[in-house]
Amino acid sequence: DTGVSQDPRHKITKRGQNVTFRCDPISEHNRLYWYRQTLGQGPEFLTYFQNEAQLEKSRLLSDRFSAERPKGSFSTLEIQRTEQGDSAMYLCASSSPDRANTEAFFGQGTRLTVV
Amino acid sequence: GNSVTQMEGPVTLSEEAFLTINCTYTATGYPSLFWYVQYPGEGLQLLLKATKADDKGSNKGFEATYRKETTSFHLEKGSVQVSDSAVYFCALSRAGANSKLTFGKGITLSVRP
Repeated sequence: DTGVSQDPRHKITKRGQNVTFRCDPISEHNRLYWYRQTLGQGPEFLTYFQNEAQLEKSRLLSDRFSAERPKGSFSTLEIQRTEQGDSAMYLCASSSPDRANTEAFFGQGTRLTVV
Repeated sequence: GNSVTQMEGPVTLSEEAFLTINCTYTATGYPSLFWYVQYPGEGLQLLLKATKADDKGSNKGFEATYRKETTSFHLEKGSVQVSDSAVYFCALSRAGANSKLTFGKGITLSVRP
């Protein structure tokens, strides 16, 4: 088990471009979360999947953001028409379906810089 | 809504000093409480947790007690090491289907030899 992996680790993009990030959760975990972390702040919840179903989206997730988890395995987070305010670390986490152990395991994140 | 407030940082201590990092929370119901740590160049890792009032979470010499009467979950360690230098985040999750985490701002701890 290699833990939660995210790709790419770093992304620099020009304002207005689209970007897509990928998250591969721990294999037996059915819960997957996306968070955003800006400098000097704690991570903020963006969205949650249980298997392939997106069950909750934060108001932080504007119309330019879309997340998918086809087949309930890996997930992608796409940002369209990026803005400088989108610059942040995007974190993915997964957790077990075992209700007695809901520890979330985090990936190392994708750092997005919009120039 | 739910929120977590951490003391302002950064904190700089000498090796073997006593550490306290304050954390208070606002939540309805009975949340679970967590401390996560982020070492330089690494992802967030769970340090310890407590799921009900008066529970004490402990790991690697760190402890925190879930105090419902003061809505607090302060992190303590009796003798810090240089290797404890990291960013520490207090967090909560509400019981329920999604268990999403609400984090505090985090505090940077630097331990000097």
